[in-house]
Amino acid sequence: LAKTTQPISMDSYEGQEVNITCSHNNIATNDYITWYQQFPSQGPRFIIQGYKTKVTNEVASLFIPADRKSSTLSLPRVSLSDTAVYYCLVAGGGNKLTFGTGTQLKVEL
Amino acid sequence: EAGVVQSPRYKIIEKKQPVAFWCNPISGHNTLYWYLQNLGQGPELLIRYENEEAVDDSQLPKDRFSAERLKGVDSTLKIQPAELGDSAVYLCASSLGGQGYTDTQYFGPGTRLTVL
Repeated sequence: LAKTTQPISMDSYEGQEVNITCSHNNIATNDYITWYQQFPSQGPRFIIQGYKTKVTNEVASLFIPADRKSSTLSLPRVSLSDTAVYYCLVAGGGNKLTFGTGTQLKVEL
Repeated sequence: EAGVVQSPRYKIIEKKQPVAFWCNPISGHNTLYWYLQNLGQGPELLIRYENEEAVDDSQLPKDRFSAERLKGVDSTLKIQPAELGDSAVYLCASSLGGQGYTDTQYFGPGTRLTVL
């Protein structure tokens, strides 16, 4: 199983850019990297998915270096409503679905 | 479009009692997942269905847990008998299917189980 390592928590202020890095040293060739967001008392919600280089959508960017052993979720100009737990998930090829412990992001005024 | 529906949202039972959770996936989604989430931890996959077939149940404690997905739509997860350590949130998710573990999953709100 792909083991992912993320910081337990991060603090930021409104309007700042937040970068959350996930380490996944044993990523398999066919694995994809997916990030989910979870608010209290809700199920996780898909944010972004990528395989290599950079992916961008309307809410976030995902940066994946050439060796794919890590990935960085970038949230531009965060707001209070971005306070949540963020999970990095590596799966698809040799690895099954394994969520890590996630990163608790706290955004303050 | 309706999301994944789960019921009940909360359940309190005494140990050794049976309990069942129900999930209705998004219409048209062929793949259904059941997860267990302990406080402060990420979701742990219990079972994955492709239509009616359980394609991955390797993490399901089969001595007390069972699941079914009749007609490839709704699903039920059962615990019998429940133990104190089963207290957790049980999440159901669905996806279109066809991309294996890279499918985008849509989660329900979960059922919070408390075993006394």
